Parts: sequence; structure tokens; C-alpha cells
Amino acid sequence: DQQVKQNSPSLSVQEGRISILNCDYTNSMFDYFLWYKKYPAEGPTFLISISSIKDKNEDGRFTVFLNKSAKHLSLHIVPSQPGDSAVYFCAASADDYKLSFGAGTTVTVRA
Amino acid sequence: KAGVTQTPRYLIKTRGQQVTLSCSPISGHRSVSWYQQTPGQGLQFLFEYFSETQRNKGNFPGRFSGRQFSNSRSEMNVSTLELGDSALYLCASSNDRGAYEQYFGPGTRLTVT
Repeated sequence: DQQVKQNSPSLSVQEGRISILNCDYTNSMFDYFLWYKKYPAEGPTFLISISSIKDKNEDGRFTVFLNKSAKHLSLHIVPSQPGDSAVYFCAASADDYKLSFGAGTTVTVRA
Repeated sequence: KAGVTQTPRYLIKTRGQQVTLSCSPISGHRSVSWYQQTPGQGLQFLFEYFSETQRNKGNFPGRFSGRQFSNSRSEMNVSTLELGDSALYLCASSNDRGAYEQYFGPGTRLTVT
């Protein structure tokens, strides 16, 4: 059962504009959420995270928003840069020593 | 600090064979997790080890097994390989905080023919 869902398999955005990636989850026990970025032939790289006690976390160009009532989180990248072209995975944890991942969203930043 | 290393990087096996993959975590990390990545499925959790003990296991058949050594290095084994086992196998390590902010290796690409 897919407890974390990324319904958009791909996203194309112009350089300098905002990229918004969405993620939905079903398990109400999830209390920590993360975004990972993956380039081809490399493992995923941790990007940003948020605890369930917060609704926003910001780190430079990256901001994650959490809406617990809607079981929804999003990642905003502003401004988007060509180096941001990658696959982005949303992940969640219920403090049970495992991460549940979404299927990923491929972001392409156009020059 | 050196990152997570995985060997081999690429592997081709035949149906019915078995395979062992190796993972060396970041120095000081005692938690090692394994994931399977297939197209369209994201990363599926296999199991997690901490101090040589399996703390959690995903929904995979018993053909998938793992272990962790006293130096935190980990191996996973897949017996009686099936075509559907073709995937990228990723290992991740983290500090004593557990699953949060795991650091991934480059993966082992397994192809079963």
C-alpha cells in the first residue's frame, strides 16, 4: 500500500520561476517528513525536512509546507535553477526506523 | 567524511541464482537501511539494522535477507532470483536518531536475466 503519494510524475518550469511539488500521505502516524533529490546514477540526497509540530520550514531557496489536516505537504523551490533538474522524492516516517517514499516527481528546469 | 559506499555498482545474474550486496555506512553511523527502487514505484523499504539487530522489516518475501556486522557494515542477500528483482538497491545510513535524514549510497544496479 502506497502511504505516500506524489501524483505528478513530472514538472517542467522555466528558470527563475517557482517550482511547486506536492505530496499526499495517508498514515496519520507519520510525524516527520523529508524531501530528497536524486540525480541519475546517484543515490538520493537529503534536501529539507519538517516535523509534524511545524507547518513551514525554510532553507535558502527551498521551503516545505505541511498541512496536517489535509495530510498534504509541498516543496517550493524559488527561484528554480537548471541544477535543480532532478527527481524529487517525498518521504515520511512514523519513528519506526523506516522511511516511506513517494514514487517521485521529475523536475525539468528550462533555460 | 567518506560517504556511504556500495559494492558492486552493477551486477547481472540469472534467474534462480542468489546475490549478495554490500554496504559500508558513513563512519560513526550505526543504522543501515536497505531500499529497492523500481521505475514508477519509488523506494520500497526492505529492512533496517542497528547494532547488528534488525529493527524493522518491509513487505518483501523471505528470499530477501540481510545482516549487519560489528563494524556496522551491512550485506543483503537475495536468493532464488526472479526477473522482478531487477532494480536499483540502495543502502542508507543514519546516526542514532534512526530513520530521520538518512544518507544514501549510489546503489547497486541488479539485472536478472
